[in-house]
Amino acid sequence: SQQGEEDPQALSIQEGENATMNCSYKTSINNLQWYRQNSGRGLVHLILIRSNEREKHSGRLRVTLDTSKKSSSLLITASRAADTASYFCATSILTGGGNKLTFGTGTQLKVEL
Amino acid sequence: DAGVIQSPRHEVTEMGQEVTLRCKPISGHNSLFWYRQTMMRGLELLIYFNNNVPIDDSGMPEDRFSAKMPNASFSTLKIQPSEPRDSAVYFCASSLPGPISDRGQFFGPGTRLTVL
Repeated sequence: SQQGEEDPQALSIQEGENATMNCSYKTSINNLQWYRQNSGRGLVHLILIRSNEREKHSGRLRVTLDTSKKSSSLLITASRAADTASYFCATSILTGGGNKLTFGTGTQLKVEL
Repeated sequence: DAGVIQSPRHEVTEMGQEVTLRCKPISGHNSLFWYRQTMMRGLELLIYFNNNVPIDDSGMPEDRFSAKMPNASFSTLKIQPSEPRDSAVYFCASSLPGPISDRGQFFGPGTRLTVL
């Protein structure tokens, strides 16, 4: 079953605007990761935030994590047409053999010129 | 770096046939994951290996599915016999040992499987 639920399912914005995507999950996690998937391609890792972190930045990306609410958000600032893709959150739990990821349902982002 | 390599990229087969998907992880990565992606069920973890040993196969749908990793540079996912409901995109991913890696998992381009 999927751990993460993302909101919204689809988002359409104009180039230059900011895009915010939210992810909620159900169980305790080791870390939370965000991935991007362009149509017909594999997923690409964007950023990882650990359970003891509250905010992390990478370029135009800003991720927050609220473990008390079991939620995370991904903010893409100054969006570009090339940001058009599906975005997935993935929660990581530590198992005996390593990190196991469970992916959310994804947000389809469309950035229009 | 070549990235994760999967073959074939596309596979069309008939119900009842055996299907073998192949994956070469990134050199130096010791964890390998097989996922399946469909519109209905999203991205599901099927099985993952650490140091060539299967750790968790709870996501494997049924006995028709099997996966092997005979060495650190090669893994296969086999479906025998295949059924139309197996149609999906199958991804292989690899990663450095966790929890030390901040770089997450590296995904291959996927194999699009169509079972007629």
